[in-house]
Amino acid sequence: EVQLVESGGGLVQPGGSLRLSCAASGFTFFNNAISWVRQAPGRGLEWVSAIGGSGGSTYYADSVKGRFTISRDNSKNTLYLQMNSLRAEDTAVYYCARLPLGEFSTLDYWGQGTLVTVSS
Amino acid sequence: QLVLTQSPSASASLGASVKLTCTLTSGHSSYAIAWHQHQPEKGPRYLMKVNSDGSHSKGDGIPDRFSGSSSGAERYLTISSLQSEDEADYYCQTWGAGLWVFGGGTKLTVL
Repeated sequence: EVQLVESGGGLVQPGGSLRLSCAASGFTFFNNAISWVRQAPGRGLEWVSAIGGSGGSTYYADSVKGRFTISRDNSKNTLYLQMNSLRAEDTAVYYCARLPLGEFSTLDYWGQGTLVTVSS
Repeated sequence: QLVLTQSPSASASLGASVKLTCTLTSGHSSYAIAWHQHQPEKGPRYLMKVNSDGSHSKGDGIPDRFSGSSSGAERYLTISSLQSEDEADYYCQTWGAGLWVFGGGTKLTVL
């Protein structure tokens, strides 16, 4: 069974940093690209970032480019999102989601999410 | 610019059918999309991929009550025999040129 479990969320002050993790199981981790998607309170889903299976290809939404860094440790089956220079508008539930084998397309499995609150 | 447009809300009665629409921007009418269901307090759930020719492939365990279709720049999600647990937000999503895009979502109310 494919499982994605996010962790690392919490309360952080504006300008601060936080690192999210996504632990994966139930599939061959390095074969799949993985993405981060967020949902701010009362808003819809917003794509944040994605990374290829080897980690060599990374993609970012304009809203986080230069502040967030996506990475993965295939030996630990874990995805990360390093978030720096956090703003109030980054407050959201952050989900990791798997892309299908060999594709940069749909998001076929999702985690339950972790809440990030940016506030003083 | 790649944009997906969805109606903010829809409603239908228990046991009835409903068809949700996702519209691609002009110039992107050949793009495939995916549909995701998001119930309160849960992670989103992948429903299916819908191609421009109307063919679709569903995610694991998605009931036959859920189906997809296409017409021009519109992609559809049809849910038949509506159940109370179908009340959720439904998002379409597409991809291209190193970015992924979501529609604004449709909140489905089951009456």
